[in-house]
Amino acid sequence: GQQVMQIPQYQHVQEGEDFTTYCNSSTTLSNIQWYKQRPGGHPVFLIQLVKSGEVKKQKRLTFQFGEAKKNSSLHITATQTTDVGTYFCAGPEGNEKLTFGTGTRLTIIP
Amino acid sequence: DADVTQTPRNRITKTGKRIMLECSQTKGHDRMYWYRQDPGLGLRLIYYSFDVKDINKGEISDGYSVSRQAQAKFSLSLESAIPNQTALYFCATSNGGPRYEQYFGPGTRLTVT
Repeated sequence: GQQVMQIPQYQHVQEGEDFTTYCNSSTTLSNIQWYKQRPGGHPVFLIQLVKSGEVKKQKRLTFQFGEAKKNSSLHITATQTTDVGTYFCAGPEGNEKLTFGTGTRLTIIP
Repeated sequence: DADVTQTPRNRITKTGKRIMLECSQTKGHDRMYWYRQDPGLGLRLIYYSFDVKDINKGEISDGYSVSRQAQAKFSLSLESAIPNQTALYFCATSNGGPRYEQYFGPGTRLTVT
């Protein structure tokens, strides 16, 4: 079946530093979604990318979808303590379900 | 009130016991999902349902069963719990296929001793 891997699994950064997580799929994706899970919380939808090479921004967060539609990245500029959490990408498997990535857990050192 | 609720929020049970986790939603969505979260493994799909008559197995359905009692209710059962089913369980809903975002409940932390 489809596999979606994320790297790194963990990332510790000083507050103010940048952060990037990478998502790679074993198959071409029609779209990709990103979710954030705060510590002790549940995953919350952030954004969806659909087009090859698409770039979307949400304040300090920049999301990219690869040209081949098999990879994606999330970049956070100048991290803040509110950015702490686990970030998941998710891609469709057929027309029925999402396959979630393994997640990247971000911790911030004040 | 939360759109997707799960009960119980925490449960400790013994090996061999039957346990049911319940999920309710007020979003009016047809599609509902049960996921399991383990450290380093992300979210893995256990079962999903498109309506009360349509139940489908996910990638890790062994040892679990589900019931879709109504559009708004989707229950997950462990017929005979075992320790490696200790995990965080999430219910989610969506308004359509994989192009639609999923809305997650708060989760149930299950410990099997």
